[in-house]
Amino acid sequence: EVQLLESGGGLVQPGGSLRLSCTASGFTFSSYGLSWVRQAPGKGLEWVSAISAGGGATYYTDSVKGRFTISRDNSKSTVFLQMNSLRAEDTAVYSCAKVVGGGWPYYFDFWGQGTLVTVSS
Amino acid sequence: DIQMTQSPSSLSASVGDRVTITCRASQGISNSLAWYQQKSGKVPKLLIYAASTLQSGVPSRFSGSGSGTDFTLTISSLQPEDVATYYCQKYNSAPFTFGPGTKVDIK
Repeated sequence: EVQLLESGGGLVQPGGSLRLSCTASGFTFSSYGLSWVRQAPGKGLEWVSAISAGGGATYYTDSVKGRFTISRDNSKSTVFLQMNSLRAEDTAVYSCAKVVGGGWPYYFDFWGQGTLVTVSS
Repeated sequence: DIQMTQSPSSLSASVGDRVTITCRASQGISNSLAWYQQKSGKVPKLLIYAASTLQSGVPSRFSGSGSGTDFTLTISSLQPEDVATYYCQKYNSAPFTFGPGTKVDIK
């Protein structure tokens, strides 16, 4: 059974940093791309970032470029999202999602429950 | 970047009705489109990929069509368990943008 478990969320002040983690099980982690998707309270889905199976290709939505960094440790079946210079508009539940293959096409067949990030003073 | 729109933003229909949701891309994306269903408090579920291919295990009352800029998701006979918000997502190239969603409920 595929499982994705996110952690690392919390309350942070504007301008602060957080590092999210997503630990996977139930599939060959190193063979699949992973992505982060966020959902602000009461709002729709927003794609944030993606990384290919080997980590050689990374992608970001414009609003987080230069502030967020996605990475992965295939030996630990974990994908990370380093978030710096956080803003109030980054407040959301952040979920990781498994890509259907090792890279393109980047659509998603399994999702984690998410971790809440709140940016507020 | 390519923008994704959906219409309507919400709809209410009776059990057994045929329901159609439209997704439009601001530029052509070939058939690189997926549809997801998100029930309240739940994670999204992949319904359709490549615009018209049904994901394994998804009921056959769901279907997708379209190519280029205009796409549709159709529920042939709405069931109570279909109450959810439906999102389209483009994946031809980054950013892999979602549409704003269409909320479906029962009249």
